[in-house]
Amino acid sequence: EEQLVQSAAEVKKPGESLRIPCKASGFSITNYWMGWVRQMPGKGLEWMGIIYPVDSDTRYSPSFQGQVTISADKSIATVYLQWSSLRASDTAKYYCARGPDAFDLWGQGTMVTVSS
Amino acid sequence: DIQMTQSPSSLSASVGDRVTIACRASQGIANYLAWYQQKPGKVPKLIIHSASALQSGVPSRFSGTGSGTDFTLTISSLQPDDVATYYCQKYNGAPRPFGQGTKVEIK
Repeated sequence: EEQLVQSAAEVKKPGESLRIPCKASGFSITNYWMGWVRQMPGKGLEWMGIIYPVDSDTRYSPSFQGQVTISADKSIATVYLQWSSLRASDTAKYYCARGPDAFDLWGQGTMVTVSS
Repeated sequence: DIQMTQSPSSLSASVGDRVTIACRASQGIANYLAWYQQKPGKVPKLIIHSASALQSGVPSRFSGTGSGTDFTLTISSLQPDDVATYYCQKYNGAPRPFGQGTKVEIK
């Protein structure tokens, strides 16, 4: 069965760093672009960016460029979303999803809460 | 960058009604348009890609039309299970923004 597995939740303080994983199983991530989507509480879906794990070619939304880093480790079929210094406004659910075109497979999402 | 605009932002209709949601791209995107359904508290689900191609397993009451800048999602006979928020997304090139969503409720 094809799956994207994400950790359920992370709780952090402002200024802390964080990297959340998304592990693929049942398919090879080297055949797809992999993406991240943010959903703030009670709000809509926001496309953050995508990565091609073969060569780590990465494209970001202008809204997220410089705010987060998307990376991949194809040897362990995992893509990552990373922050160097979290803010309270980063509180949201973060989904990973599979391309290469429309997102046809989604992870369950990681709820990131940033609070002092 | 291309912007995606949906209308209406919400609607309420009766079971069995025909429901139509519009999505407009600020520039032409050919048929690189997807529709997603997100039920309350659930993960988004792809229901249509390539503007009009029904994803496997999606009921045939859902259909999509359009090309270029104007697109439509239609539910031919609204069912209680269709209560959800629907999002369009362009997926050629990058960035690949979503529309703001349309919340569908039962009257």
